[in-house]
Parts: sequence; C-alpha cells; structure tokens
Amino acid sequence: GENVEQHPSTLSVQEGDSAVIKCTYSDSASNYFPWYKQELGKRPQLIIDIRSNVGEKKDQRIAVTLNKTAKHFSLHITETQPEDSAVYFCAASIRGGGADGLTFGKGTHLIIQP
Amino acid sequence: IAGITQAPTSQILAAGRRMTLRCTQDMRHNAMYWYRQDLGLGLRLIHYSNTAGTTGKGEVPDGYSVSRANTDDFPLTLASAVPSQTSVYFCASSLSGSGSDTQYFGPGTRLTVL
Repeated sequence: GENVEQHPSTLSVQEGDSAVIKCTYSDSASNYFPWYKQELGKRPQLIIDIRSNVGEKKDQRIAVTLNKTAKHFSLHITETQPEDSAVYFCAASIRGGGADGLTFGKGTHLIIQP
Repeated sequence: IAGITQAPTSQILAAGRRMTLRCTQDMRHNAMYWYRQDLGLGLRLIHYSNTAGTTGKGEVPDGYSVSRANTDDFPLTLASAVPSQTSVYFCASSLSGSGSDTQYFGPGTRLTVL
C-alpha cells in the first residue's frame, strides 16, 4: 500500500521567515496530495491541495510543489505569523487494493518564534 | 448547515464493552471515512464507504466494523473494546470516492478504553 514519509517532525522558525515541510510517497498511482493544518484539540483543516497534473499551486502565503518523478511534494509557507503555529499533515490518495482514502504523514509541529 | 458531526465528543469505556461512534453529514457527500489519530502516528484509515450500501477496509480495520445504510450516516462500532483502541477518532466525508476530492473532517471523538 501507500507509504508517506514527512520531515521534519518539528520545525521552529522566526516570525517572518519561511517554513518548508517535505513529504515523499511510494505509490506512483497516487494522484491527489492535500495538506492539512491541525490546531491543538481541533479537527484537521485543508489548507491547500495539488493534483498530479499540476507541478505547483499557490494560495497567498502558502504554496505546494509536486515532483511526480521523484515522488515528493513540499509545503512552503512564507512570511510566517504566530497563527501559523500548528501541526501540519501531508497526505496522498490511496487507490485500489481495496482501500480508498488518504494515507497521512506523521505530521510536522511548526513553531513560530516571536 | 452543520457539515459533519460526531457523537459523543468524548467517552471513557471499560475494556470488553461495545461502543458505537456516530457520524452524520448533511452535505450529501457520497464517500465517508473513519480515521484514528494517535500521537506520533498521524491519522490512519480504519474503514471507508464510497457510497451508501458499500464499505471497505482501510489500513487498520481489525476490531472495528461499519455500516452505511444511507448517505448521511456512517457509524463505527467497536464490538469489544481494548485499551489499544484508546485514540481520537475522526470521521470525514468527500463528494465522491474518486480519491481526488477534498475530505472534510468532523470534530472528532476522544475515546479512552480502560
């Protein structure tokens, strides 16, 4: 089945600096890669996603890049703010093999230092 | 519009007891999912349903069962709870089970099995 690796597990950056979180996936059939933000005690919330026919997508301070050949994708947050502090999860779609859904990375705890 | 709701919010359960976690969505989404979230392990897919009347097994289905009698409801049952099932359980839904539709998460149920 699909395996998603996410790095780093913890990332501390100064407010205003950029943050980059990286993920790799194993199943070349995966075609959808969402990123979720989860604040303490809350549900995961989608912040951006990318599909396999696109190499990059931006939404204000957030961007995601996808390299299908290398099977990795990354989340970029620019001009970080205190409210960006949260746990971020990458995910890849599971297709076939009897399991439809998402395989998640183990998460990155992003800490924005004032 | 409520979106997706779960009940109960939290529960403490004795080992060996039967428990059903409820999930309801009013978005007329065809696909629904159950995930468990454990510290350091991210979210893992338990069961899914691509449409009413069908269900499938995810990554960690043992000890859990689901049913999908209609579009809106997707209950998760623990027939005989064990301490290793202590976790936060999230229900999610998406418009279709194509693997590339956005999944929306419920608020979660925190379950403790003693």
